Amino acid sequence: QSALTQPASVSGSPGQSITISCTGTSSDVGSYNLVSWYQQHPGKAPKLMIYEGSKRPSGVSNRFSGSKSGNTASLTISGLQAEDEADYYCCSYAGSSTFGYVFGTGTKVTVL
Amino acid sequence: QVQLQESGPGLVKPSQTLSLTCTVSGGSISSGSYYWSWIRQPAGKGLEWIGRIYTSGSTNYNPSLKSRVTISVDTSKNQFSLKLSSVTAADTAVYYCARTRSSSIDYWGQGTLVTVSS
Repeated sequence: QSALTQPASVSGSPGQSITISCTGTSSDVGSYNLVSWYQQHPGKAPKLMIYEGSKRPSGVSNRFSGSKSGNTASLTISGLQAEDEADYYCCSYAGSSTFGYVFGTGTKVTVL
Repeated sequence: QVQLQESGPGLVKPSQTLSLTCTVSGGSISSGSYYWSWIRQPAGKGLEWIGRIYTSGSTNYNPSLKSRVTISVDTSKNQFSLKLSSVTAADTAVYYCARTRSSSIDYWGQGTLVTVSS
């Protein structure tokens, strides 16, 4: 059960759009539309931003969107704002081998 | 609004057992189709899923930790617990308890730092 692969860092200017990728395998990301995304500010608990690949929980800005193609899921943040600067983690259901979850390696988003 | 709060020793000696409890408030731990999970995060590193429990007592564990982990639930106290045996410095981390809804983790505790040191 290896961690999903994310870029270590992504940056953008206010108002721009950025995309964070999350690459897994055919056993996790590729087999299920069950990827979730979490935002974590320093010293805080993670916050659910996207679930089941593309759904937003109540209260999460529609600037956040999710998608998937093959074994890679993506999180796009449009209209980048200073408050979006944080760490982002993807997470996928890992299938019947564990009935558990595997997280991504994490991406630091910097707003320039 | 569901709230989760971790509690337990912040310092554990090597080779001993780490024990944490998560108290759930704002709703019954038995209501709804939820799993209750433990996740940890070493300082400056990523998140690692430890395991989860359903209120029936059914559990699933991370294969890399399975031999050392036990998660249990006490519905009468609205709590669930984590035990991690034979700890080493590599188990030093912030430990989070969380509510898991099918494929996502929608409520998290604030996290508690556990340091393994003699």
